[in-house]
Amino acid sequence: QVQLQESGPGLVKPSETLSLTCTVSGGSITSYYWSWIRQPPAKGLEWIGCIHYSVGTNYNPSLKSRVAMSVDTSKNQFSLKLTSVTAADTAVYYCATISAAGTNWGQGTLVTVSS
Amino acid sequence: QAVVTQEPSLTVSPGGTVTLTCGSSTGAVTTGHYPYWFQQKPGQAPRTLIYDTSNKYSWTPARFSGSLLGGKAALTLSGAQPEDEAEYYCLLLYSGAVVFGGGTKLTVL
Repeated sequence: QVQLQESGPGLVKPSETLSLTCTVSGGSITSYYWSWIRQPPAKGLEWIGCIHYSVGTNYNPSLKSRVAMSVDTSKNQFSLKLTSVTAADTAVYYCATISAAGTNWGQGTLVTVSS
Repeated sequence: QAVVTQEPSLTVSPGGTVTLTCGSSTGAVTTGHYPYWFQQKPGQAPRTLIYDTSNKYSWTPARFSGSLLGGKAALTLSGAQPEDEAEYYCLLLYSGAVVFGGGTKLTVL
């Protein structure tokens, strides 16, 4: 069973870059598509995008201009960068695998955008 | 990007049956969208109930079932319990992209 754990700063200043890392255990980072999902307070779930180590990335069009994802196969990790953040980017951020065969999610990490 | 639609809210009586649906702006939902259903209670992370239209996890109560119904994905709850009161989200896969529905708030009353 693949397990995922998000890590990164819980507070980011407006206009700066949000950076999160997801560490994968119990499976290889080369085996799946890896997604980032977020949920603002009292709102619904939003898919940010996904990455495969050899195929590349696919981003939500609404965030595409500000998002970058990468994979570090040596550390079995993948990462999210979201630039020029505003208060609207305040949310719980989840890393996950989502495929036809099932899904695994991290526990989520709250990132607050505030000065 | 496609838009995935769900009923904003539904109410079911204890012991009753209710069906939540998940539609796609691109047309009929098919097994090729690999529909997912998640349950989320206040203050908790989403929990996956159904994947690939109708497959359950070991923790999925037997009273929940997934299907395709009238061009939509459907989640049927038969014999509702008070603990089933929650927000329910569907998810559809589109050629490498993932889209969530807006969620259905289910009240058991």
